[in-house]
Amino acid sequence: QLQLQESGSGLVKPSQTLSLTCAVSGGSISSGTYSWSWIRQPPGKGLEWIGYIYQSGSTYYNASLKSRVTISVDRSESQVSLKLSSVTAADTAVYYCARSDRYCSSTSCRYPYFDYWGQGTLVTVSS
Amino acid sequence: DIVMTQSPDSLAVSLGERATLNCKSSQSVLYSSNNHNYLAWYQQKPGQPPKLLIYWASTRESGVPDRFSGSGSGTDFTLTISSLQAEDVAVYYCQQYYSLPITFGQGTRLEIK
Repeated sequence: QLQLQESGSGLVKPSQTLSLTCAVSGGSISSGTYSWSWIRQPPGKGLEWIGYIYQSGSTYYNASLKSRVTISVDRSESQVSLKLSSVTAADTAVYYCARSDRYCSSTSCRYPYFDYWGQGTLVTVSS
Repeated sequence: DIVMTQSPDSLAVSLGERATLNCKSSQSVLYSSNNHNYLAWYQQKPGQPPKLLIYWASTRESGVPDRFSGSGSGTDFTLTISSLQAEDVAVYYCQQYYSLPITFGQGTRLEIK
């Protein structure tokens, strides 16, 4: 059974960089058919997709965060990482990692719905 | 970006009764080449991550009780719980994966009346 576990700094000062890791176990992180996303949820609010990494390390970031986000993968450690720079209080949220399995139609491929999620980790931005 | 709007924001239903949750997308999420609607539903209970219930608008994820069903096409979708159980109290989100960025609705909070 695939398991995802987020970890990292729970308290980050404004203007600093948030760093999180998602450890993947019970399955291969290296399959070319998977994408690994980061999704966040401010306390009491809805879900915001941050971006994903897929195939051999290609990435796509939500434009709302693109200038501040870096997602990377360490296949030897079976980990996916998230870095978010220049954080403010608005970045306070539970951060989830999630997997999507590629679907290809006759004309295009997508990384659709999220079938596995980590438990999430709360990051608070405060001085 | 495709905006997903869910209604109502909250809903109270009696045990054993039907619950109907709605999701509307700002543009069609129906992909004409394969006739699939690129829409999923999730259930989130307090302190837990979202759980996938439905994908392709109407395909139930393995292990999800058959009282959960999804319907709709194009821009208008519905999640129906045929007979509400106590364990169904949660917030429900729809998500489109037709185009990037992936976007979610704001959620519908489902409670027991």
